[in-house]
Amino acid sequence: QSVLTQPPSVSGAPGQMVTISCTGASSNIGADYDVHWYQQLPGAAPRLLIFGNINRASGVPDRFSGSRSGTSASLAITGLQAEDEADYYCQSYDNSLSGYVFGSGTKVNVL
Amino acid sequence: EVQLVESGGGLIQPGGSLRLSCAASGFSFSSYWMHWVRQPPGRGLVWVSRIKSDGAGTTYADFVKGRFTISRDNAKNTLYLQMDSLRADDTAVYFCARKGYGGKLLDAWGQGTLVTVSS
Repeated sequence: QSVLTQPPSVSGAPGQMVTISCTGASSNIGADYDVHWYQQLPGAAPRLLIFGNINRASGVPDRFSGSRSGTSASLAITGLQAEDEADYYCQSYDNSLSGYVFGSGTKVNVL
Repeated sequence: EVQLVESGGGLIQPGGSLRLSCAASGFSFSSYWMHWVRQPPGRGLVWVSRIKSDGAGTTYADFVKGRFTISRDNAKNTLYLQMDSLRADDTAVYFCARKGYGGKLLDAWGQGTLVTVSS
């Protein structure tokens, strides 16, 4: 059972936009801890995509953007491409668990 | 180029022990906090443990407390995870990861090593 909740999957056609939500609680996102996003391609290790809620990691195209509000955060992918088909995870810190917490993960399907 | 290379995974019986290693290169290993994250087959990422840059402070997820020990050898640029009293639900790919500066984020990951706990 993940501490942060994400939809299991989202789908979109090439060129469309998809949004992935990440819902937390007052002990993590709601406690003003930053949210970070990771992309995991099939069979590969995760890689940092968005850090500090809104900042793209090095080499990440500007089609990817992040936001945070209250106890939730979102990752948006515009101009969806076939290469974006992957699992995406949000991550924050939880002060009641005294550790990092991840979302349940969202599979992005490009139709 | 930053590189993290895990090793030491394999098949182990329940109740057994295993030590994972993570060899770091391409950055000043002794300056960074390091983490272990695991991913059970077909499931999501789960944070396991972290260690401060000088090895003086460690933190664990509740489900591994008392069974796993994280450590590091800065002279050898290597991170370790000693896993004792292994259970079937410890079966996972174990990733080592580097904590990035400026936040509680993980900015570099190894390719992972698979640990299978089964009789």
